Amino acid sequence: EVQLVETGGGLIQSGGSLRLSCAASGFLVSNTYVSWVRQAPGKGLEFVSSLHSGGATSYGGSLKGRITISRDNSKNTVYLQMTNLGVDDTAVYYCAREGGLTGSFGEFDFWGQGTVVTVS
Amino acid sequence: QSVLTQPPSVSAAPRQRVTISCSGTNSNIGDNLVNWYQQLPGEAPKLLIYYDDQVPSGVSDRFSASKSGTSASLAISGLQSDDEATYYCASWDDSLNAILFGGGTKLTVL
Repeated sequence: EVQLVETGGGLIQSGGSLRLSCAASGFLVSNTYVSWVRQAPGKGLEFVSSLHSGGATSYGGSLKGRITISRDNSKNTVYLQMTNLGVDDTAVYYCAREGGLTGSFGEFDFWGQGTVVTVS
Repeated sequence: QSVLTQPPSVSAAPRQRVTISCSGTNSNIGDNLVNWYQQLPGEAPKLLIYYDDQVPSGVSDRFSASKSGTSASLAISGLQSDDEATYYCASWDDSLNAILFGGGTKLTVL
């Protein structure tokens, strides 16, 4: 069974850094794409970043330059390192498996329950 | 403001049919696949439609989708109260080299 579990969220002061983790089971993060999507309170979904099986990355506009996505194949875990956080980064951060059905971009077939990041 | 434009809200009565539009450009919908997501209140999003018009296993066949040019649409037939949710379209954008989501459409079943 495919599962994704996000951890690492919490309350952090403006200007601080945070690393989120997405532990996957039921599939190998090294063989597929894993992405981060966030949702600010009362707002819509916003793409944050993707890490492709071959190592290529893509980043969403508002966080570009402040985030790094990486993975540890031995732990089957994907990470999102965020720096210089601002109040506008307050959101639920979801990780999702991408392209699991057809290998297509934007096809998020499994999602975690999310981790809450609050920037004060 | 999202580059993929959706109506903020739609409403219809039970057992009726409703459509939700998603308008983009040649750099996203016009050149790439569209996926649709359903987000129930307090829950993570769920893949509803993939590869423009394909319904994943386990999703009701009351949901369907289509695409023409730079626009896509999601249709829900036989509306039920538990269809009340926010629906999002998503597509890759060649210019941004990133995935775009629509702003979301909140469906109310009257």
